[in-house]
Amino acid sequence: DAGVIQSPRHEVTEMGQEVTLRCKPISGHDYLFWYRQTMMRGLELLIYFNNNVPIDDSGMPEDRFSAKMPNASFSTLKIQPSEPRDSAVYFCASARQGAGNTIYFGEGSWLTVV
Amino acid sequence: AQTVTQSQPEMSVQEAETVTLSCTYDTSESDYYLFWYKQPPSRQMILVIRQEAYKQQNATENRFSVNFQKAAKSFSLKISDSQLGDAAMYFCAYSGANSKLTFGKGITLSVRP
Repeated sequence: DAGVIQSPRHEVTEMGQEVTLRCKPISGHDYLFWYRQTMMRGLELLIYFNNNVPIDDSGMPEDRFSAKMPNASFSTLKIQPSEPRDSAVYFCASARQGAGNTIYFGEGSWLTVV
Repeated sequence: AQTVTQSQPEMSVQEAETVTLSCTYDTSESDYYLFWYKQPPSRQMILVIRQEAYKQQNATENRFSVNFQKAAKSFSLKISDSQLGDAAMYFCAYSGANSKLTFGKGITLSVRP
């Protein structure tokens, strides 16, 4: 079975540019999570969806960040405009309801904003 | 809110020896799950082991086992017969009724040949 697929794997962009990160969860999974990992703050949950509906976006840093899940097999995390402090690894993860809360991660998108 | 604490930032173990990574958590929920994830330099998050809080028996996966002490809210990971490939960052994580994971700060494990 294919795991969680994220793209791009690496992105370098200039401050002020728009960044879009993409995620395809594991087929059949009901939950989708976006996490951010930095040295200073560790792993932080940004937002999560259940059945394509955003459930908790309290971790989204500010209005520059937005996330969508238009269907069960696709989600985006957008940063506009990007800033150097947004440089991090962004993980998408998914889980199936009733499967013991086990969450599977994608390989991450390494973002560098210069 | 739930919290997960990993107080040791780094540990080192000799190849073939056993090492224990500690983790404590705080929660008011009675039903929850605990996890250990491994993160090698590639940054991939790999599930190592999972424990259901309602199970008294400690989970094991080959060379990996946990010591789950529910009353003490402690969840340590034991790695037996350590291998060079075990060198990585290890994260303890909690998941409760809302299904989201709360992570500890992680511990860097190095394995000496």
